Amino acid sequence: GAVVSQHPSRVICKSGTSVKIECRSLDFQATTMFWYRQFPKQSLMLMATSNEGSKATYEQGVEKDKFLINHASLTLSTLTVTSAHPEDSSFYICSARRDYNSPLHFGNGTRLTVT
Amino acid sequence: AQTVTQSQPEMSVQEAETVTLSCTYDTSESDYYLFWYKQPPSRQMILVIRQEAYKQQNATENRFSVNFQKAAKSFSLKISDSQLGDAAMYFCAYRTENTGTASKLTFGTGTRLQVTL
Repeated sequence: GAVVSQHPSRVICKSGTSVKIECRSLDFQATTMFWYRQFPKQSLMLMATSNEGSKATYEQGVEKDKFLINHASLTLSTLTVTSAHPEDSSFYICSARRDYNSPLHFGNGTRLTVT
Repeated sequence: AQTVTQSQPEMSVQEAETVTLSCTYDTSESDYYLFWYKQPPSRQMILVIRQEAYKQQNATENRFSVNFQKAAKSFSLKISDSQLGDAAMYFCAYRTENTGTASKLTFGTGTRLQVTL
């Protein structure tokens, strides 16, 4: 089955630094990738939709200058949390699909802790 | 905007028994997809079952089945012969058929399912 790899699985960074999270589709080309954020014991909240070769579409309330998304190839999207603050600590999950009619495949998530 | 509501924060079922998880949604669209995802402690999101709104027949996947009531905007998940490995968070999700919105998923708040011996 289709596999989506997310790296790193855990990261701890200091306040004010930036951290990059990678999302790769290992055995298919993903035209669209989605980035979600999940707080403890809560649901997944969509942050942005990333289409290969174009700018990401951010959901209302998500700061695009803080959460930089790059979808430079059909198999890789990255989320960079810039100038991280403790309130950015969360679980970030990416998902990818081959095309519009294909199912979504999720990565294993990244737990970000900002100290 | 579409909303998805799961009114049961937690449910418990004994091993080998049957449990039903509830989900309601609100939409003005006629064509859409509904999903149930499972999130075990590993946090990996796993697709359990999917239903196309245009299909009247309820979807089934082995021990998992849904009761899709389009008019009532209800989409419940039934787990039969529950197993310890079914313990997880279960999320109901909605996806529009509208290509203009990139078919993003809207998730409910989740139901934590415990399976007891």
